[in-house]
Amino acid sequence: GAVVSQHPSRVICKSGTSVKIECRSLDFQATTMFWYRQFPKKSLMLMATSNEGSKATYEQGVEKDKFLINHASLTLSTLTVTSAHPEDSSFYICSADVGQIDTQYFGPGTRLTVL
Amino acid sequence: AQKITQTQPGMFVQEKEAVTLDCTYDTSDQSYGLFWYKQPSSGEMIFLIYQGSYDEQNATEGRYSLNFQKARKSANLVISASQLGDSAMYFCAMRDHSNYQLIWGAGTKLIIKP
Repeated sequence: GAVVSQHPSRVICKSGTSVKIECRSLDFQATTMFWYRQFPKKSLMLMATSNEGSKATYEQGVEKDKFLINHASLTLSTLTVTSAHPEDSSFYICSADVGQIDTQYFGPGTRLTVL
Repeated sequence: AQKITQTQPGMFVQEKEAVTLDCTYDTSDQSYGLFWYKQPSSGEMIFLIYQGSYDEQNATEGRYSLNFQKARKSANLVISASQLGDSAMYFCAMRDHSNYQLIWGAGTKLIIKP
């Protein structure tokens, strides 16, 4: 089956630093990747949709300059949380799409803690 | 606007019993897909089952089946012979052909009692 990896799985950083999270499709090419944020005991909140070679489409209320998304290839998308603050602490999860309505593959998620 | 509603925030079920998790949806699209995902405490989203809007038969995957009632716009998940390992959050989601984004329900926390 299709596998999506995320790295790191867990990160703790100091306030003001930047953190990069990688999302890779290991055995398939993803036409589209999605980035979600999940608060404790809540559902997934879509942050942005990224397509390889083009700018990401951000959801309303998501700061583009705060959450930088780069989709450099069909197998890699990165989310960089810039100048992180404690309120950015959350579970971030990516998913990859091959353009079919019945398929979306999720990474294992990254737990970010900003001190 | 598209919407997914899961009305059960939490459920307790005795081991080996069957359990039904409710999901209703709202969309004006004719072509759409419905998903159920399981999220254990580790956080990973595990795909369980998919139902296409044009599928005439209810989807089944092992112990999981989806009770699809199109006229009622419901897509309930049925887990037969529940196991302790089924304890997790369960999310219902929908996507359409226009943008492939998933619309998520609030989730149901299922706890299986021994």
